[in-house]
Amino acid sequence: ILNVEQSPQSLHVQEGDSTNFTCSFPSSNFYALHWYRWETAKSPEALFVMTLNGDEKKKGRISATLNTKEGYSYLYIKGSQPEDSATYLCAFKTGGYNKLIFGAGTRLAVHP
Amino acid sequence: KAGVTQTPRYLIKTRGQQVTLSCSPISGHRSVSWYQQTPGQGLQFLFEYFSETQRNKGNFPGRFSGRQFSNSRSEMNVSTLELGDSALYLCASAKDSFNEQFFGPGTRLTVL
Repeated sequence: ILNVEQSPQSLHVQEGDSTNFTCSFPSSNFYALHWYRWETAKSPEALFVMTLNGDEKKKGRISATLNTKEGYSYLYIKGSQPEDSATYLCAFKTGGYNKLIFGAGTRLAVHP
Repeated sequence: KAGVTQTPRYLIKTRGQQVTLSCSPISGHRSVSWYQQTPGQGLQFLFEYFSETQRNKGNFPGRFSGRQFSNSRSEMNVSTLELGDSALYLCASAKDSFNEQFFGPGTRLTVL
């Protein structure tokens, strides 16, 4: 059974704080790692697709790194804003088909 | 560019009935995947269709089935509904296996 774990489960930060979350996944049969942001009552929004060990990707104040050898990825948010409040999901892909195995997510609340 | 659309958005059914959910992918996307989200289980992969063929299936009973039409629109059917089938059903479309998946807003199914 393939397990994807995310920590912490939830996080409360003040506006302007920087924060980071962890996604752990099996290090064997790795194909890709996806990050999504999911705001309440909206569709999950794709943030990054990461495929290579050592990958670093950035989108505005959000960035992510990938270590496939040890099976983890970090998501960083610099200078959190209230609009960053959402659940951040990572999803592991082990083959060439579009089957994503999701972690339970990290729920972020940014307080003004 | 129109996003992924799902109909209906909300549905209430009773135990034993069957239900059909519909997903229209982004134009040009040939892959459609379905996921179930329940509070206790998070997002679970149901199946993926690519060019009208089911490529992968998750660990769900045979009551869950799907199909894809030549225009890439997909339907998911659940027969003999059980209370535990109450969930948010999301579909996601992708161009192929190498790109990100874009999610629709979901169909909220309640089984009474």
